[in-house]
Amino acid sequence: AQSVTQLDSHVSVSEGTPVLLRCNYSSSYSPSLFWYVQHPNKGLQLLLKYTSAATLVKGINGFEAEFKKSETSFHLTKPSAHMSDAAEYFCVVRGRSSASKIIFGSGTRLSIRP
Amino acid sequence: KAGVTQTPRYLIKTRGQQVTLSCSPISGHRSVSWYQQTPGQGLQFLFEYFSETQRNKGNFPGRFSGRQFSNSRSEMNVSTLELGDSALYLCASSLEQGLSGNTIYFGEGSWLTVV
Repeated sequence: AQSVTQLDSHVSVSEGTPVLLRCNYSSSYSPSLFWYVQHPNKGLQLLLKYTSAATLVKGINGFEAEFKKSETSFHLTKPSAHMSDAAEYFCVVRGRSSASKIIFGSGTRLSIRP
Repeated sequence: KAGVTQTPRYLIKTRGQQVTLSCSPISGHRSVSWYQQTPGQGLQFLFEYFSETQRNKGNFPGRFSGRQFSNSRSEMNVSTLELGDSALYLCASSLEQGLSGNTIYFGEGSWLTVV
């Protein structure tokens, strides 16, 4: 069975400061992990994905995430927040078998203070 | 390359009616999945289709159904609509189903309001 937990429902940071959005996962097998962003009234856009290659994954818009198997974590980071980063972020896990479902985290709303 | 296209974008229905939503995947993608997004329940998986066959199903009542056509386009249908079915319905497509590193691309969604 798989599950994903986003540890913070809301994160607020000042523009120009680092961003950390936390995600822990549970999976019986080595999973694929994704981060998606959703701006208001929009669909989901892929930020980055982990698929058992490099553990540090770089995505779009300066975001990156590190897969830590020992901690079962896949936290999303960005060195310097921009006002346009304000959105909802979803951590997603999917197993490797054809029968595996796609599991979404509950989402983290990121607010950016001027 | 066109993205995932969902129609209609917005619709209002009355309780008891039925609704059909359409999704055109990215060209070449054979897997289509559907999700319901509500403020209270977040994003929930409805079902996934691959090669015209339902491969996975979430925990939704039988009122929610779907199908996939030979050109990979998909429709989902909700019968006997309830107020709680008001939600954003998202469609996503991917090249194959369940393979490692298979990126899922989402459409903009269909906003359904049930009154």
